[in-house]
Amino acid sequence: GAGVSQSPSNKVTEKGKDVELRCDPISGHTALYWYRQSLGQGLEFLIYFQGNSAPDKSGLPSDRFSAERTGGSVSTLTIQRTQQEDSAVYLCASSFVSWDTQYFGPGTRLTVL
Amino acid sequence: KNEVEQSPQNLTAQEGEFITINCSYSVGISALHWLQQHPGGGIVSLFMLSSGKKKHGRLIATINIQEKHSSLHITASHPRDSAVYICAPLGNQFYFGTGTSLTVIP
Repeated sequence: GAGVSQSPSNKVTEKGKDVELRCDPISGHTALYWYRQSLGQGLEFLIYFQGNSAPDKSGLPSDRFSAERTGGSVSTLTIQRTQQEDSAVYLCASSFVSWDTQYFGPGTRLTVL
Repeated sequence: KNEVEQSPQNLTAQEGEFITINCSYSVGISALHWLQQHPGGGIVSLFMLSSGKKKHGRLIATINIQEKHSSLHITASHPRDSAVYICAPLGNQFYFGTGTSLTVIP
């Protein structure tokens, strides 16, 4: 597997439900980033992991959003009590080290009904 | 307030034309990404640069840290270059321009 993978590719959920989005970064990449892109809008930074350091959560829009990265590899973004405004494409990227070229996954399209 | 300004927002060019997309930013940065997003939504990192100029094929990116400005140039443009190009300066926060939508007509 050469690239960043994300699952699911599409997720439709009802308002108020919790969702988990998964990202598998490129093997050996120490930095992992989550972004989202709402329909017709630009990219928005959510959270960033670098190695074993505490993540930079400065972009998370509310306390309903959380993310973890287990074993320095796979990351899960969790959205609790989803709202319609959470509907967006959630993108994950990884890089070998911080501030290095980022490689993007295909994204998860989340639709909250 | 927009920390990152891209211009133009939309650009239509004839195949073969030389294209320039500009990015100005107001924050201190350590590096700047140029990203390409195709109509299907996939994002590809074209360049990451912190000074000077980088070239890859028909693409050239330049940055002037003192002037807080970067440009992306496409030489001999082709319809497959049609995409949204996003400037993403990296400072103590992550910033993104709103993108330039490029359409290259055969």
